[in-house]
Amino acid sequence: GESVGLHLPTLSVQEGDNSIINCAYSNSASDYFIWYKQESGKGPQFIIDIRSNMDKRQGQRVTVLLNKTVKHLSLQIAATQPGDSAVYFCADSRGSNYKLTFGKGTLLTVNP
Amino acid sequence: DADVTQTPRNRITKTGKRIMLECSQTKGHDRMYWYRQDPGLGLRLIYYSFDVKDINKGEISDGYSVSRQAQAKFSLSLESAIPNQTALYFCATSDPDRDELFFGEGSRLTVL
Repeated sequence: GESVGLHLPTLSVQEGDNSIINCAYSNSASDYFIWYKQESGKGPQFIIDIRSNMDKRQGQRVTVLLNKTVKHLSLQIAATQPGDSAVYFCADSRGSNYKLTFGKGTLLTVNP
Repeated sequence: DADVTQTPRNRITKTGKRIMLECSQTKGHDRMYWYRQDPGLGLRLIYYSFDVKDINKGEISDGYSVSRQAQAKFSLSLESAIPNQTALYFCATSDPDRDELFFGEGSRLTVL
C-alpha cells in the first residue's frame, strides 16, 4: 500500500452507481494483492484477492484490476448499496514468508 | 461466536502501566498476527507468529512484546505504556495454504 498522508481519501457515490477505489503499491516484487472492507467498529473483512499472474478477477458485485506496469490496483463495486459504506484497504505481499503491507484506506460513503 | 476473539475490547490506562491484550482463535490456524491501526496510517504489523515456537518482529515492534501460549492464543504486551501507543489493535490469523487474514474485532487502547 501507498503512503498518502494523514487524511483518509474519501469517495462519495449515489446508491446504485458503480464505485471505483484506487490503490498504488510501491514494491514491484509484490506478487499477491488483497482488498479488505472495514465497517465502523469492526475488524477488516476480506473482499477479494488477486495474484500477480492475473490482471483481473471478479467476485460477487466486485472486480479487482491489477496493472503491474504502473503498480496500480483498483476495486470496482457494481450497483453500490448503503451497506457498502466502509473504509476499504488494499494490501500487498511478496513471497512465501507472508506479510501484508496495508495502504491507508479509502472511506466510501453511499448516499441513498 | 467470533472465530478470532480479542480481550479487552476497550481499555483506558495510565502512562507506565503494563497492559496485556489477548487473542484467541477457533479457526485452527497456525499463523497469528498483531496489527496496530492509527487514523490516516492504516494497519501496521507489530509481531507475527507462524507456529507456537516461532515469533517474529514486524515493522513497529519497539515497546511491545508477545507470547504465543498455544496454537490458539497469542497475546500482546506493553511493558510500560506511553500515550503514543494509544491506538486500535487487531489480532489476525491465517492459514498457510491461503493468504487471507481473518481479523478480530479490535481492542481500543487509550494511554493517558
